Amino acid sequence: ETGVTQSPTHLIKTRGQQVTLRCSSQSGHNTVSWYQQALGQGPQFIFQYYREEENGRGNFPPRFSGLQFPNYSSELNVNALELDDSALYLCASSRAGTQYFGPGTRLLVL
Amino acid sequence: DQQVKQNSPSLSVQEGRISILNCDYTNSMFDYFLWYKKYPAEGPTFLISISSIKDKNEDGRFTVFLNKSAKHLSLHIVPSQPGDSAVYFCAASGNFGNEKLTFGTGTRLTIIP
Repeated sequence: ETGVTQSPTHLIKTRGQQVTLRCSSQSGHNTVSWYQQALGQGPQFIFQYYREEENGRGNFPPRFSGLQFPNYSSELNVNALELDDSALYLCASSRAGTQYFGPGTRLLVL
Repeated sequence: DQQVKQNSPSLSVQEGRISILNCDYTNSMFDYFLWYKKYPAEGPTFLISISSIKDKNEDGRFTVFLNKSAKHLSLHIVPSQPGDSAVYFCAASGNFGNEKLTFGTGTRLTIIP
């Protein structure tokens, strides 16, 4: 059984640019959630997708957007990057209940 | 407004002894609780969970206890091993895990050989 995978592993962008992060769900999982983890903090919920529809959103501005595809993989897009967007971005997949996380994408905004 | 709190940023325990990690929550709507372990440069790894209909759940060396009246849960690791050294996050969810996870700030556990 393949676990959750994310790409890229690391990324450096400059302020104002746009970024797309990708996530492949664990086999059989139809729900994907995205989290942002700043240094020294717990992960913060960005949004969740269930069967290609947004199913809940955290306290993040509209420049954070997402997609889920028919194969349940997902993308997180962030427009107009700000310095504070520098963080570890985590994707988690689930079917019913427990969320399983990928290794994360570390984004640095300069 | 931090709805899930881990008040101990760090904990050191001798190898072979019991490690006890604590977590408090404020939201009565939470009905599913999880513990994750995280190594540097990796994503959180699921350890164990408990539903609000139970007060204890065991899986090998890991046991989670839930006290709903006190809105408190704890993770016991017995016996502690060097590989247990990591940051441990407590997380809570509604709708029996089908909603977003709300995380605590983590406790760094160090096992002393």
